[in-house]
Amino acid sequence: SQQGEEDPQALSIQEGENATMNCSYKTSINNLQWYRQNSGRGLVHLILIRSNEREKHSGRLRVTLDTSKKSSSLLITASRAADTASYFCATRMGETSGSRLTFGEGTQLTVNP
Amino acid sequence: KAGVTQTPRYLIKTRGQQVTLSCSPISGHRSVSWYQQTPGQGLQFLFEYFSETQRNKGNFPGRFSGRQFSNSRSEMNVSTLELGDSALYLCASSLGAGQVTYEQYFGPGTRLTVT
Repeated sequence: SQQGEEDPQALSIQEGENATMNCSYKTSINNLQWYRQNSGRGLVHLILIRSNEREKHSGRLRVTLDTSKKSSSLLITASRAADTASYFCATRMGETSGSRLTFGEGTQLTVNP
Repeated sequence: KAGVTQTPRYLIKTRGQQVTLSCSPISGHRSVSWYQQTPGQGLQFLFEYFSETQRNKGNFPGRFSGRQFSNSRSEMNVSTLELGDSALYLCASSLGAGQVTYEQYFGPGTRLTVT
């Protein structure tokens, strides 16, 4: 079963607008990662945030983590048509879970030119 | 560095057959994980190998198995294929796992269709 839920399931915006996706999870985590997937292809790692971090930036991406609410958000600023993809959050629990990631259901983002 | 490679990229099999998928991790990476992605169940963890040993296993039947070789390359095998095994199978590699957090890098996947 999926650890997380993502909200919204689908998001359609215009180029230049910001896109915000949310992820909630159920158990304590070691870190949370965001991935992008273009239609039917492999996952591209976007950003990793550790459980003791609250915010992280990478280029046009901003990720926040609220461990008290067990939630995270991914903000893509000044979106481009090339950002059209599915976005997944994935959580890694404790060290005993190894590299195992538990994925959310994903948000399908469409950026219209 | 070359990325994670998976072969074959596409595969069509018949129910009851068995299949072997291959994954070559990024050079120097010792951990390889496998995931199954379907429209209904999403991305689900199959198993993880580190230094030729299975470290973790997901909730899949025994028909799904894997192994890792001394050069870190990994294979997964599915025996007695069922229609529900049709999926995108993704392999991910990382330097390792444990107290240190390592990013995982995914391959392009193998699209398996069972008819």
